[in-house]
Amino acid sequence: IQLTQSPSFLSASVGDRVTITCRASQGISNYLAWYQQKPGKAPKLLIYGASTLQSGVPSSFSGSGYGTEFTLTINSLQPEDFATYYCQQLSGYPITFGQGTRLDIK
Amino acid sequence: EVQLVESGGGLVQPGGSLRLSCAASGFIISNRYMSWVRQAPGKGLEWVSVIYSGGSTYYADSVKDRFIISRDISMNTVYLQIYSLSAEDTAVYYCVVHLGGVRGSEAFDPWGQGTQVTVSS
Repeated sequence: IQLTQSPSFLSASVGDRVTITCRASQGISNYLAWYQQKPGKAPKLLIYGASTLQSGVPSSFSGSGYGTEFTLTINSLQPEDFATYYCQQLSGYPITFGQGTRLDIK
Repeated sequence: EVQLVESGGGLVQPGGSLRLSCAASGFIISNRYMSWVRQAPGKGLEWVSVIYSGGSTYYADSVKDRFIISRDISMNTVYLQIYSLSAEDTAVYYCVVHLGGVRGSEAFDPWGQGTQVTVSS
């Protein structure tokens, strides 16, 4: 199952609201997770089950979607939110990731 | 606290082999699904292999026949044995725990800090 994220690069300012889209090549129900990765660090789980916020993750992050189209929304960007974001499907093996979306400060 | 600590990475010549270790604490590895994920320099994330709580194993096609995932329950440690290494295997290798329940695997959490494997002559 291929996952395609858009955009691949995103430039935004502190306080902005941004949305990242992840499209699956076939239906995956809601077996979709989102991760944040900062340079030199391991990815951090943000959302699973397409919309369930992982414990400890700020409520400024939210996810939605079902089937083949999913979105990650970040409300009111903070300086620490500038990172690379990946979606992941766990509907079947091989488990796959999107190519990533790099979010930079404008 | 659930924690994963990888080790065993390093510089290896093409054609060589390596065994990566993932020492787990805060939980019993035989109760959880665990995977290895790798990330080549400047690239995205690639799932490599999983070992189920029952011991079944699965691999990505790109590593099948060269990688072997295993575990030592007494040591609470998962391993990834890698053979016939090539430059394309150069990456940071992460050990992860599957988050899930009756719905099956829903995410990877937590992740270890990663161990660097570099294949070069």
